[in-house]
Amino acid sequence: QKEVEQNSGPLSVPEGAIASLNCTYSDRGSQSFFWYRQYSGKSPELIMSIYSNGDKEDGRFTAQLNKASQYVSLLIRDSQPSDSATYLCAVRLYGQNFVFGPGTRLSVLP
Amino acid sequence: ETGVTQSPTHLIKTRGQQVTLRCSSQSGHNTVSWYQQALGQGPQFIFQYYREEENGRGNFPPRFSGLQFPNYSSELNVNALELDDSALYLCASSLSGDHTGELFFGEGSRLTVL
Repeated sequence: QKEVEQNSGPLSVPEGAIASLNCTYSDRGSQSFFWYRQYSGKSPELIMSIYSNGDKEDGRFTAQLNKASQYVSLLIRDSQPSDSATYLCAVRLYGQNFVFGPGTRLSVLP
Repeated sequence: ETGVTQSPTHLIKTRGQQVTLRCSSQSGHNTVSWYQQALGQGPQFIFQYYREEENGRGNFPPRFSGLQFPNYSSELNVNALELDDSALYLCASSLSGDHTGELFFGEGSRLTVL
């Protein structure tokens, strides 16, 4: 069974702080890794993708991948109340079958 | 907006009934995937269609079936509805062979089974 695990949260951070979201996956054959943001009642929206070990930065977001540890994380700098949402980690296996984690609920407090 | 459209947005059915959900993929995308997202959980892969054929299936029973049409739009059919089928059904399109493998989701169809 291929699994993606995340802490369900809620993770609460004050406005302006760094939010750190973590994800582990079980299949070493995983090739691509994604972070989706999902607001309540809405569909998931892609915010970051990462394919090789190391860091990838896009604005206030940084994705980190460590394939040896089977670990991927998302850092959100200068967190804003509008960042409050559920963050889904997704792993792409062979072909295009994505496996999603259960999501971590982030709450940014004004 | 992703350009992926789904209909209907909300619907209510009773146990034992059948439902058909529809999806139009983003322009240029030839692959459609369907996911089920129960409340408080991540999306679960149902199946994927490429060139009008099922091209991968998750752990869902045969009463979940689908179609893809020549224009790449797709339908998800669920027969003999059960209470546990209540969920948000998400359609996602992608470009097969696109090494980025990104999925672009529609707004979803929220199904309630009473």
